[in-house]
Amino acid sequence: GAVVSQHPSRVICKSGTSVKIECRSLDFQATTMFWYRQFPKQSLMLMATSNEGSKATYEQGVEKDKFLINHASLTLSTLTVTSAHPEDSSFYICSASPSAPSYNEQFFGPGTRLTVL
Amino acid sequence: AQSVTQLDSQVPVFEEAPVELRCNYSSSVSVYLFWYVQYPNQGLQLLLKYLSGSTLVESINGFEAEFNKSQTSFHLRKPSVHISDTAEYFCAATTSGTYKYIFGTGTRLKVLA
Repeated sequence: GAVVSQHPSRVICKSGTSVKIECRSLDFQATTMFWYRQFPKQSLMLMATSNEGSKATYEQGVEKDKFLINHASLTLSTLTVTSAHPEDSSFYICSASPSAPSYNEQFFGPGTRLTVL
Repeated sequence: AQSVTQLDSQVPVFEEAPVELRCNYSSSVSVYLFWYVQYPNQGLQLLLKYLSGSTLVESINGFEAEFNKSQTSFHLRKPSVHISDTAEYFCAATTSGTYKYIFGTGTRLKVLA
């Protein structure tokens, strides 16, 4: 149980285009989902926290107009990188927390490798 | 403020030797602690976690970690490593009332033949 999927696993796009990444909790309802960014050989950097049905909370320094997050249902959150540039190339990982946790745990997706040419 | 420190960025070790990956945390409230493993180009896989109860927690593949409140540590150990254990290991902490994780900077374990 507690499986989180991401789609696509890998995407290559041209500079200036937008890319959407989906994060799904497959066997549980997730009130809260998280989006992380990971640069090569570095740790995960939290970008934003999204709660179902409300606006996402972005971490300091993350452009909300560039990284659009939608959490429309209890099993799906999307991250759209708008007008992508090469510096947006990175590994994006989502995670999800169950709606009624007895403890605070996040379940992580397999990640999406974004390459902007 | 809460923080997680992984003192070693890289740990080379020979196959079948023991290994310890260090993790220290700082928090003024009770913490939940996790170790994750990340293989190249993959997401994070939970290795083990400490929530409450027994301070020694074990994984199915031979890793163990001990929560030491007095030393604010949660070091990861394995008595005999395999080549397949080569990966990046992240320590993470969170506290009750928040879903946010604080990650350490990661330790790259390289098992040598």
